[in-house]
Amino acid sequence: EDKVVQSPLSLVVHEGDTVTLNCSYEVTNFRSLLWYKQEKKAPTFLFMLTSSGIEKKSGRLSSILDKKELFSILNITATQTGDSAIYLCAVSGIQGAQKLVFGQGTRLTINP
Amino acid sequence: ETGVTQTPRHLVMGMTNKKSLKCEQHLGHNAMYWYKQSAKKPLELMFVYSLEERVENNSVPSRFSPECPNSSHLFLHLHTLQPEDSALYLCASSQLTGANEKLFFGSGTQLSVL
Repeated sequence: EDKVVQSPLSLVVHEGDTVTLNCSYEVTNFRSLLWYKQEKKAPTFLFMLTSSGIEKKSGRLSSILDKKELFSILNITATQTGDSAIYLCAVSGIQGAQKLVFGQGTRLTINP
Repeated sequence: ETGVTQTPRHLVMGMTNKKSLKCEQHLGHNAMYWYKQSAKKPLELMFVYSLEERVENNSVPSRFSPECPNSSHLFLHLHTLQPEDSALYLCASSQLTGANEKLFFGSGTQLSVL
């Protein structure tokens, strides 16, 4: 059975800190790994990773995939209070977006 | 604004009520989804419609009944729900291309069953 495990489940840091969120997975016929940010209700897309070792970057956020060890990390540098959210990791197999498997999410709180 | 609109945003219903959740996507996508998000649990896929045909039904109780009249609209009809059905119900859409597919989510309906 396909599975995604995120850690930690909850994290509280001070503004300006750097955080690393983890996502490990087991999936048959891996196609892609996706990160989403859920601030209030609607999860919004951050990154899609398909190849090992290639870092995706957007401002202070970056992510990388290791297909050999079956995990991904999401880094946020110089955190701001607006980064407070639930970060969701999901993986797709051969059925693509029709069968994304999500992790429980990491609830990140940034204190001023 | 993600291009996926859900109504209502909040819904409180009794166990004997019948209500419907509505979702509309303005992205020209060919697939639509219903997900359930409960506290401390991963998002659970409920239904998938691809080209207006239901292609996934993840052992969802019959008290949840989806309807997809066209590629832009999706409904979830609710009847005789249980308190454990209280959750955030998220609609999503995607373009099924065979590569680099991702979901676009609506803001959800927060459902409370009394």
